[in-house]
Amino acid sequence: SQTIHQWPATLVQPVGSPLSLECTVEGTSNPNLYWYRQAAGRGLQLLFYSVGIGQISSEVPQNLSASRPQDRQFILSSKKLLLSDSGFYLCAWLGLNTGELFFGEGSRLTVL
Amino acid sequence: AQKITQTQPGMFVQEKEAVTLDCTYDTSDQSYGLFWYKQPSSGEMIFLIYQGSYDEQNATEGRYSLNFQKARKSANLVISASQLGDSAMYFCAMRDSGGYQKVTFGTGTKLQVIP
Repeated sequence: SQTIHQWPATLVQPVGSPLSLECTVEGTSNPNLYWYRQAAGRGLQLLFYSVGIGQISSEVPQNLSASRPQDRQFILSSKKLLLSDSGFYLCAWLGLNTGELFFGEGSRLTVL
Repeated sequence: AQKITQTQPGMFVQEKEAVTLDCTYDTSDQSYGLFWYKQPSSGEMIFLIYQGSYDEQNATEGRYSLNFQKARKSANLVISASQLGDSAMYFCAMRDSGGYQKVTFGTGTKLQVIP
């Protein structure tokens, strides 16, 4: 069966420090992958989405970037975090047969 | 560009009553998909229901049904016989038909079920 994992689950980082959040999918090949950010009490903001290795579409360029070095690996990065980067980050993959978007457990980032 | 609108920031419903959560969308695509997700306070995203734009029947999953009105571009979620455990945030989302399968979410509705 397909599973999706992301880590770390919780992260507290100072302003100006780098960030790396990792997401991996198992049990499927060539998945469509997504990164979302959710500010406290708010909706899900689409950050990046990808249909294959090296193919990234960006919705919110700013100081975040994404990479897909392997088919089932999706990484969210920043060179210098801002206070506004705090939030709950969710990785997801799209099950095309079922139409369902499968989410990881989420990574809660606090920038101080 | 596609857009999802949820105009109800918060809703209250009496236990055992039905409730409708509104969702409207805007797209120029002919083929698209519509989803509803539930997010309890734990933060996990729970898939509820999916409707394809070419599906003629409204989708149903247990106590959840999606009232799909294509001409009005609305995809309201109906929850029948509300339970206390239904208290959560509810998000409507749309997947476009482009090669990148972009999925966009609405701002959500916070539902509170009153005993």
